[in-house]
Amino acid sequence: NAGVTQTPKFRILKIGQSMTLQCAQDMNHNYMYWYRQDPGMGLKLIYYSVGAGITDKGEVPNGYNVSRSTTEDFPLRLELAAPSQTSVYFCASSYSDRGRETQYFGPGTRLLVL
Amino acid sequence: EDKVVQSPLSLVVHEGDTVTLNCSYEVTNFRSLLWYKQEKKAPTFLFMLTSSGIEKKSGRLSSILDKKELSSILNITATQTGDSAIYLCAVHGSGNTGKLIFGQGTTLQVKP
Repeated sequence: NAGVTQTPKFRILKIGQSMTLQCAQDMNHNYMYWYRQDPGMGLKLIYYSVGAGITDKGEVPNGYNVSRSTTEDFPLRLELAAPSQTSVYFCASSYSDRGRETQYFGPGTRLLVL
Repeated sequence: EDKVVQSPLSLVVHEGDTVTLNCSYEVTNFRSLLWYKQEKKAPTFLFMLTSSGIEKKSGRLSSILDKKELSSILNITATQTGDSAIYLCAVHGSGNTGKLIFGQGTTLQVKP
């Protein structure tokens, strides 16, 4: 099992550009999540999905969009990148069963918006 | 609003010391509390706690939940430089979505 994989590892964007951060998991997890982590802060939830075709907003969804067409993939789209979106982005996934909700994280994507 | 608060925010100790990290929470319909260790990259899972008073142990790390006090502690004994990391506490609240609310993290530095 590769677990949770993310691409790219690092990207520099200009203000106003757009990009898609890719996330995939091979553990057949129902639930998937996108977080951002700013220096000295914990993780803030951007969007999450409880299954293919179902997504919902987290704490900080503005400026982002997601889709979940398959169980495995959960891409995060940034439209019109802004300097405030400079951050490290983590994708995570988990089972839905009570007691097995431990979230497993991908290696992260470092994004710099200039 | 659901909230998780960790203390201290940062800590510097010497190898061999014992440390205690704290996590307190205010969450609707608590389900579980998780501890993660984050080194350079992604958080890695340490413990999941659901019941009060039952200690979870893994080597030199241990953790316990106190539902009455709405808190948890993470203990690390005989610290080593490899324990240097950010320790994150997160709580599952209400709803069947698996969403976690994270604290700010405690940055631990262990000096040789």
